[in-house]
Amino acid sequence: NAGVMQNPRHLVRRRGQEARLRCSPMKGHSHVYWYRQLPEEGLKFMVYLQKENIIDESGMPKERFSAEFPKEGPSILRIQQVVRGDSAAYFCASSLGQDSSYNEQFFGPGTRLTVL
Amino acid sequence: TQLLEQSPQFLSIQEGENLTVYCNSSSVFSSLQWYRQEPGEGPVLLVTVVTGGEVKKLKRLTFQFGDARKDSSLHITAAQPGDTGLYLCAGSSRSGAGSYQLTFGKGTKLSVIP
Repeated sequence: NAGVMQNPRHLVRRRGQEARLRCSPMKGHSHVYWYRQLPEEGLKFMVYLQKENIIDESGMPKERFSAEFPKEGPSILRIQQVVRGDSAAYFCASSLGQDSSYNEQFFGPGTRLTVL
Repeated sequence: TQLLEQSPQFLSIQEGENLTVYCNSSSVFSSLQWYRQEPGEGPVLLVTVVTGGEVKKLKRLTFQFGDARKDSSLHITAAQPGDTGLYLCAGSSRSGAGSYQLTFGKGTKLSVIP
């Protein structure tokens, strides 16, 4: 299965701990996006990355959140000093490119973060 | 801020009935995608529409993009229990940072009763 992979699928953290979410894009895809889905809310864009570059982080909270997509290995979404409000499903998507007409993004199964 | 309004929010129908789900915005999108999401899973891409007025068919599902590329509809013929799920529309547009982003609606939760 060459789909988008995310791990862990479920993550439980206590307030103040760090959460690390990993995403491996589809084979051949070099564009990665992170979204957050709060209960009863739609998916909200957080950040868009290419290898070794953050292209657009306009949806990312200014503090505690960071993302990277290194030359080797998966993309990482890192949340420091988690708070209860960070509890949500975090989805990663990947695309082949950023064509002006097509922006077909394929999603992973998500990581469900619960902050106690 | 661009918004996509989906209606209805919830829909419960009997197996064999037809239904239409709507996705509306005041903004123009370069393309629009429909996804289906099962509980505990990620959204699965169903279709992408690009041209105003475009109609695409996927078995019993018919997708239409409005002429002005601001709205879209999904029509399901003879719904089956396997169609149950959350249907999401997402519009693609260029952000202030210059990249193409997806803006999602909140979804229509469809339940097809056998």
